[in-house]
Amino acid sequence: GAGVSQSPSNKVTEKGKDVELRCDPISGHTALYWYRQSLGQGLEFLIYFQGNSAPDKSGLPSDRFSAERTGGSVSTLTIQRTQQEDSAVYLCASSHTAGNSPLHFGNGTRLTVT
Amino acid sequence: DQQVKQNSPSLSVQEGRISILNCDYTNSMFDYFLWYKKYPAEGPTFLISISSIKDKNEDGRFTVFLNKSAKHLSLHIVPSQPGDSAVYFCAAPRLPGSARQLTFGSGTQLTVLP
Repeated sequence: GAGVSQSPSNKVTEKGKDVELRCDPISGHTALYWYRQSLGQGLEFLIYFQGNSAPDKSGLPSDRFSAERTGGSVSTLTIQRTQQEDSAVYLCASSHTAGNSPLHFGNGTRLTVT
Repeated sequence: DQQVKQNSPSLSVQEGRISILNCDYTNSMFDYFLWYKKYPAEGPTFLISISSIKDKNEDGRFTVFLNKSAKHLSLHIVPSQPGDSAVYFCAAPRLPGSARQLTFGSGTQLTVLP
């Protein structure tokens, strides 16, 4: 079965440009998360979508970051006016809604801002 | 404010011996803990979890121990195998009762030497 799919796997962009990162969750998973991992750091929560509820955006580091989830499936994380400190691996995960079901992560998008 | 801490960035053990990975937390409200394993260029994968009502959970070669009074948990792998070489993250819910929104430690790189 297909797991969580992220694209692109690598992205190099110039400072000041906008980038879009895509996540296809596992079919049937209603919860979707974005995390990022900066060099030498743990995973940092960014945003959480659950069904049709309003997303939990409490982890977004600035208003340059936004995310949407269309049709309850595919999600796009957008970073506007990228800065060098945005360089990180951006990880998407999905899960079932019920109980303590674990997160299933994609392989991430490695973003490098030059 | 790092509520989940892994103070050892790396650990090397000989194949066949026991690996012990440690994790400390500061939030006494955490009620559920998870360990994830991450290989290079892949997303983290769920390994094992433990509820705060237990002090031990075992799954094959992997055992997690929880010491609530010390706010400490550890992952034991025995016997260690070269394929266990990976980065191990401990994690706890950002909100009690919501194990899907996780706070992660910074990870420990385990190297199992053949």
